[in-house]
Amino acid sequence: DVKVTQSSRYLVKRTGEKVFLECVQDMDHENMFWYRQDPGLGLRLIYFSYDVKMKEKGDIPEGYSVSREKKERFSLILESASTNQTSMYLCASSPPGQGDHNEQFFGPGTRLTVL
Amino acid sequence: AQTVTQSQPEMSVQEAETVTLSCTYDTSESDYYLFWYKQPPSRQMILVIRQEAYKQQNATENRFSVNFQKAAKSFSLKISDSQLGDAAMYFCAYLGNRDDKIIFGKGTRLHILP
Repeated sequence: DVKVTQSSRYLVKRTGEKVFLECVQDMDHENMFWYRQDPGLGLRLIYFSYDVKMKEKGDIPEGYSVSREKKERFSLILESASTNQTSMYLCASSPPGQGDHNEQFFGPGTRLTVL
Repeated sequence: AQTVTQSQPEMSVQEAETVTLSCTYDTSESDYYLFWYKQPPSRQMILVIRQEAYKQQNATENRFSVNFQKAAKSFSLKISDSQLGDAAMYFCAYLGNRDDKIIFGKGTRLHILP
């Protein structure tokens, strides 16, 4: 069974802290994504990666960075957490290109609260 | 740029009844994929159903079916015989044929009334 896991379900951090959100997939997918989900705004793409060491900005990259040193792992980094980054963070992965398996598989999400 | 619009932020349906969730999208492409994802409360987002734009036949998965109107750029989800476990946030999504990024709508929260 395919699986995307995220390091924490709930996280509480203080303003100014450096925060790492980890995502691991076991499906050997090339593509990985980080979204944030806020009420009334749906899912907004922060960053994505097509391959190891490759990254592309999504729609709302400001205040975030990412790291992809291994194919199975995609990390989201908040260099200096702020209260407006309180949100649900979702990681997803997908195989490249088109075809029957082009859906994205999601992790359970990390609910981050920044105080 | 492509956009996906879900005009119903919330809906309610009586258990065992049928409900239709609306979705429209905007694109200039002719080849693309459309999805409905389900996110139950405090649970993982999962794919409900997928439609390839080149297929005229509407996709179905058990109690879930779509009404795909390509000319109208409409992609609604019909849930028949609604069950309590269908209560969730539903997201409509679009993927262009040359893209790897999926574009999501803002979601529709579906309540099932016992």
